[in-house]
Amino acid sequence: GAGVSQSPRYKVAKRGQDVALRCDPISGHVSLFWYQQALGQGPEFLTYFQNEAQLDKSGLPSDRFFAERPEGSVSTLKIQRTQQEDSAVYLCASSPLGGTQETQYFGPGTRLLVL
Amino acid sequence: AQRVTQPEKLLSVFKGAPVELKCNYSYSGSPELFWYVQYSRQRLQLLLRHISRESIKGFTADLNKGETSFHLKKPFAQEEDSAMYYCALTSGTYKYIFGTGTRLKVLA
Repeated sequence: GAGVSQSPRYKVAKRGQDVALRCDPISGHVSLFWYQQALGQGPEFLTYFQNEAQLDKSGLPSDRFFAERPEGSVSTLKIQRTQQEDSAVYLCASSPLGGTQETQYFGPGTRLLVL
Repeated sequence: AQRVTQPEKLLSVFKGAPVELKCNYSYSGSPELFWYVQYSRQRLQLLLRHISRESIKGFTADLNKGETSFHLKKPFAQEEDSAMYYCALTSGTYKYIFGTGTRLKVLA
């Protein structure tokens, strides 16, 4: 079956532009996660959805970052007024249930470069 | 604070040699530990997790609570094992904490 998909795969933005990154989780997966992976680092948690509810946004680095999942499937991560430090790979992951310690299934990531 | 440390950024071994990728964690409770792998041009995927005690692609990892380690081992490395390996921890929640990763290069 289809895995987690993300679009676009690459995005170049000028500093100050807004960007929107899309994630299509595995069909039927309840949980959805966003991670930010800077160069040479491991993925860092940004936010978590259980269905359409955003249960945890503690990892969002600033109020310029906003995520939504209005119908409990597709999710969008929006970054307003992008800065150079936002350059990173943004990973989306999903898991079947809302439980703890589940295996997470990752998408290919969106590589964002802010010039 | 919860933390996962992978001290080696790069590990090079010859084909057929044993491999050990180190992972140390700091957490006061009972964590669940994972190893994720990312092959070239592929997405991050689960390799193995502590709770299942499986051996995947010849890799094993033992949780040592005394040393707070979860090192990944394989007795005989193969060229197709070359990849980026990430150790990760969850602490009874959905939130993963990843290490910075170790790039394994298996030389012919």
